[in-house]
Amino acid sequence: QLQLQESGPGLVKPSETLSLTCTVSGGSISNSHYYWGWIRQPPGTGLEWIGTIYYSGSTSYNPSLKSRVTISVDTSKNQFSLKLSSVTAADTAVYYCARQGYYYESGGYKRTAWFDPWGQGTLVTVSS
Amino acid sequence: DIQMTQSPSSLSASVGDRVTITCRASQGISNYLAWYQQKPGKVPELLIYAASTLQSGVPSRFSGSGSGTDFTLTISSLQPEDVATYYCQKYNSATFGPGTKVDIK
Repeated sequence: QLQLQESGPGLVKPSETLSLTCTVSGGSISNSHYYWGWIRQPPGTGLEWIGTIYYSGSTSYNPSLKSRVTISVDTSKNQFSLKLSSVTAADTAVYYCARQGYYYESGGYKRTAWFDPWGQGTLVTVSS
Repeated sequence: DIQMTQSPSSLSASVGDRVTITCRASQGISNYLAWYQQKPGKVPELLIYAASTLQSGVPSRFSGSGSGTDFTLTISSLQPEDVATYYCQKYNSATFGPGTKVDIK
């Protein structure tokens, strides 16, 4: 059974870079049938997609965060990682990693789809 | 950018009631839509994908329908374990709806 586990500091200072890693077990991150995504949820609010990566290293990011986000993959460790720079209190959230499916759009373009399964999530607080 | 809205934002219903949640996209998205359930303090779980396909293991009282801009999630007979917030999500540059909180009356 595929499992994902987020890891990283739970406290980050304002203006610094948030760094998280998602370790995938029970399956290969190099599986060509899936993408891998990051989603966050500020306390008491809804879900926000951060970005997605394919095992080849191809990425897509939420335009609202794109200037501050970098997602990378390490296939040798079966991990993918998130870096979010210049954080503020507004970046305080539970951060989830998840496997992401895809579909073929008309014209044969491969597009990302639903998220399943999700990791347990990790709370990151931005505070001095 | 395509925006996703949901209605109502919250609802309270009795056990056994039929519950319907609506999700609307600001532009047509074909059937490229998923629904998630997030129980209090828990991780979101995929309920439905491709607007109407039930994820494996999800009870059959859940169903989804719609295409284009208007979608619905229906719980045919609300159970106590269905207390949760439900989110819709469009595919491709994923955007989630704001969520609908479902409680038992």
